[in-house]
Amino acid sequence: GESVGLHLPTLSVQEGDNSIINCAYSNSASDYFIWYKQESGKGPQFIIDIRSNMDKRQGQRVTVLLNKTVKHLSLQIAATQPGDSAVYFCAENIDRSTLTFGKGTMLLVSP
Amino acid sequence: GAVVSQHPSWVICKSGTSVKIECRSLDFQATTMFWYRQFPKQSLMLMATSNEGSKATYEQGVEKDKFLINHASLTLSTLTVTSAHPEDSSFYICSARALDLGRETQYFGPGTRLLVL
Repeated sequence: GESVGLHLPTLSVQEGDNSIINCAYSNSASDYFIWYKQESGKGPQFIIDIRSNMDKRQGQRVTVLLNKTVKHLSLQIAATQPGDSAVYFCAENIDRSTLTFGKGTMLLVSP
Repeated sequence: GAVVSQHPSWVICKSGTSVKIECRSLDFQATTMFWYRQFPKQSLMLMATSNEGSKATYEQGVEKDKFLINHASLTLSTLTVTSAHPEDSSFYICSARALDLGRETQYFGPGTRLLVL
């Protein structure tokens, strides 16, 4: 999702549900993508990454999907837990250059 | 592995004073470190890229004379906010790109919250 002004898009889910967070990236030349989780008052924490020669990568409870045709990235979290509540950022990278961050999505998990 | 620390974690200072923030890679060497600023409910904005032993590269709109960056070793970069003003109040986050860990990703510090009165 994209934020408008100071309002982060928010995804609210129930504990145990699966969550899908979406991100549209801007540069078709980007070859490396990362999802970060940021809890309140803390720095971003690496979750999972994917290179442009892949369209899917799985980690522990998380899956990242990459659709280069429409420049779309998604993060799927299985069996979402209250501890997953945070702001999630996608980031894109071109040829080991600087990261460009998306605007973030807040995930709220209700017990 | 790949732990990045920042010090201090928060600081309050008077307008006009200078504040130094340290960023350290604890268990790896980082030839490149990055400094970001984040305002509430917003994304991270890259301020500058710091390469060990050379001058930092600043993003457009970031004053290099106000935000002094030094990257004197492979494990330490510092950001000094000179003559701080209330509008400099923000969350400052550093990251380090891991060297020889087989990854290109950046690992982030816990951030430093600066409040200028």
